Amino acid sequence: EPEVTQTPSHQVTQMGQEVILRCVPISNHLYFYWYRQILGQKVEFLVSFYNNEISEKSEIFDDQFSVERPDGSNFTLKIRSTKLEDSAMYFCASSVSLAKNIQYFGAGTRLSVL
Amino acid sequence: KQEVTQIPAALSVPEGENLVLNCSFTDSAIYNLQWFRQDPGKGLTSLLLIQSSQREQTSGRLNASLDKSSGRSTLYIAASQPGDSATYLCAVSQGGSEKLVFGKGTKLTVNP
Repeated sequence: EPEVTQTPSHQVTQMGQEVILRCVPISNHLYFYWYRQILGQKVEFLVSFYNNEISEKSEIFDDQFSVERPDGSNFTLKIRSTKLEDSAMYFCASSVSLAKNIQYFGAGTRLSVL
Repeated sequence: KQEVTQIPAALSVPEGENLVLNCSFTDSAIYNLQWFRQDPGKGLTSLLLIQSSQREQTSGRLNASLDKSSGRSTLYIAASQPGDSATYLCAVSQGGSEKLVFGKGTKLTVNP
């Protein structure tokens, strides 16, 4: 069964460093998302991406964050200068259409900022 | 602003019991509601999606109902098994927005 793949599963970085989290959405899906979950907290929406541009973003998604679909398969989230409070589980999701909007999630990348 | 609440936060039951998990949302103008399962340290697995025009959806031992006007959904699990132990998340989407708004989840433990 097709699935959303995320790499790495765990990323450790120093505060102030740039990180790139990678995702391979399901191949025929057109809508892509990033969410994060701080330990013990709710899953929070960061950004949605369609047709090579951001279609919606939350207030969390400030200038430190960016997303890109560099080729036909990968979807990346970049954090330019990580802060301690960026430590969280980051989930990528994709959906085939907006109408039905069943979002399929990857296993997540645990980001630890030291 | 949409807020999603799930009660109880944790639930422990003996194997074989039927159980109900609750989800409530503050803005009834939802597009659909989705129930997910999250295992420790893992991603989210979609269990059921209910469109706003539907009242319930069933998949195997799971049945989800939706009462949009009162802002509530329930997930019914029949004949629970230890393998059902996980955190169950409820999430809603609204017309005009692609994002899912999540509750904090109910952590279910089914004891053998």
